[in-house]
Amino acid sequence: NAGVTQTPKFQVLKTGQSMTLQCAQDMNHNSMYWYRQDPGMGLRLIYYSASEGTTDKGEVPNGYNVSRLNKREFSLRLESAAPSQTSVYFCASSEGLQGYQPQHFGDGTRLSIL
Amino acid sequence: AQSVTQLGSHVSVSEGALVLLRCNYSSSVPPYLFWYVQYPNQGLQLLLKYTTGATLVKGINGFEAEFKKSETSFHLTKPSAHMSDAAEYFCAVSAQFGNEKLTFGTGTRLTIIP
Repeated sequence: NAGVTQTPKFQVLKTGQSMTLQCAQDMNHNSMYWYRQDPGMGLRLIYYSASEGTTDKGEVPNGYNVSRLNKREFSLRLESAAPSQTSVYFCASSEGLQGYQPQHFGDGTRLSIL
Repeated sequence: AQSVTQLGSHVSVSEGALVLLRCNYSSSVPPYLFWYVQYPNQGLQLLLKYTTGATLVKGINGFEAEFKKSETSFHLTKPSAHMSDAAEYFCAVSAQFGNEKLTFGTGTRLTIIP
């Protein structure tokens, strides 16, 4: 029972490098999300996808792009990594965008930018 | 705009003692309220949620929370702490209508003293 799977689990990049974080869910959920978690700041929404084929900006989208590849997969791309993007990134999914729907989280990707 | 305030970034309790983690919210529309738990190196897991109806909600692992509209609070309690409760706890709010997405508090790290 995998739920939400994120790859890779850890990554170290140099400033200016690019990379894509992958996320897949097996719960047939319509909506997916990308968050970053920084100490003392809780989780902040980067981008979300209400359904397959749509994406929207969240609270902190600058420096990131996303792709909703299909209903299962939602990737996050850093085109030119900066030290300020050092963080733990979480992908989540829910049945829909309705506020009462709980979100299901992956185990995170720990990303360090040197 | 909605927001969540968690009083106390760190809380320590003795094993067997009462656990009380405080959460106050601000929302211009009726809220949905959630508590999530995060164990080390893992993603967030839903503990419990309030949507409508009964204001005292019970969750997993013996936790419960009470929605108090007059106090704009949703405090999390457990009568008797176990060592396995050591984790970080996040309160979150979403709106019953409108476009605002799930907003997290900054988290409370719970330490259990043997």
